[in-house]
Amino acid sequence: EVQLLESGGGFVQPGGSLRLSCAVSGFTFSRYAMSWVRQAPGKGLEWVSSISAGGGATYYADSVKGRFTISRDNSKNTLYLRMNSLRAEDTAVYYCAKHLNGWSFDVFDIWGQGTMVTVSS
Amino acid sequence: DIQMTQSPTSLSASVGDRVTITCRASQGISLYLAWYQQKPGKVPKLLISAASTLQSGVPSRFSGSGSGTDFTLTISSLQPEDVATYYCQKYNSAPLTFGGGTKVEIK
Repeated sequence: EVQLLESGGGFVQPGGSLRLSCAVSGFTFSRYAMSWVRQAPGKGLEWVSSISAGGGATYYADSVKGRFTISRDNSKNTLYLRMNSLRAEDTAVYYCAKHLNGWSFDVFDIWGQGTMVTVSS
Repeated sequence: DIQMTQSPTSLSASVGDRVTITCRASQGISLYLAWYQQKPGKVPKLLISAASTLQSGVPSRFSGSGSGTDFTLTISSLQPEDVATYYCQKYNSAPLTFGGGTKVEIK
């Protein structure tokens, strides 16, 4: 069974940092690009970042560019999102998502359950 | 960047009604359009890729059409379990932008 399990969310003050992790199982992680998507409370879905299967190409939404870093460890079947200089508007549930066909630009066929990040003083 | 605009933002329809949701891209995206369903308190679920390809296990009452800039998600006969928010998404290139969502309720 394909599973994505996010962790690392929590409460942080503005300007602080967090690192989210997404542990995957049930598929060959190294063959698939992955993404992070977030959803602020009561709001819609916002694509945050994507990374190619091998990790050599990364893409970011303008809202997080320069503050967030996506990475992956294919030997550990784990996706990461390092979030620095956090702002109140980064408060959201963060989902990791698997790309359907493995391409860097693709639809998301499997989603994790999400991890909540709250940025507040 | 290409913007994705959905309409309406919400709708209320009766069980058995035909429901249509539209998604417009500010520039052409060929067929690189997906539709997702998010039920209350749940994780988003992929319904349709490539504008009209139904994912395995998705009921046949759901269908997608369109190309270029104008796309449509149709539910041919609305069921109570279809209460959800529906999102379109472009995926031809980054950013992989979502539409604002359409909330579907039962009248």
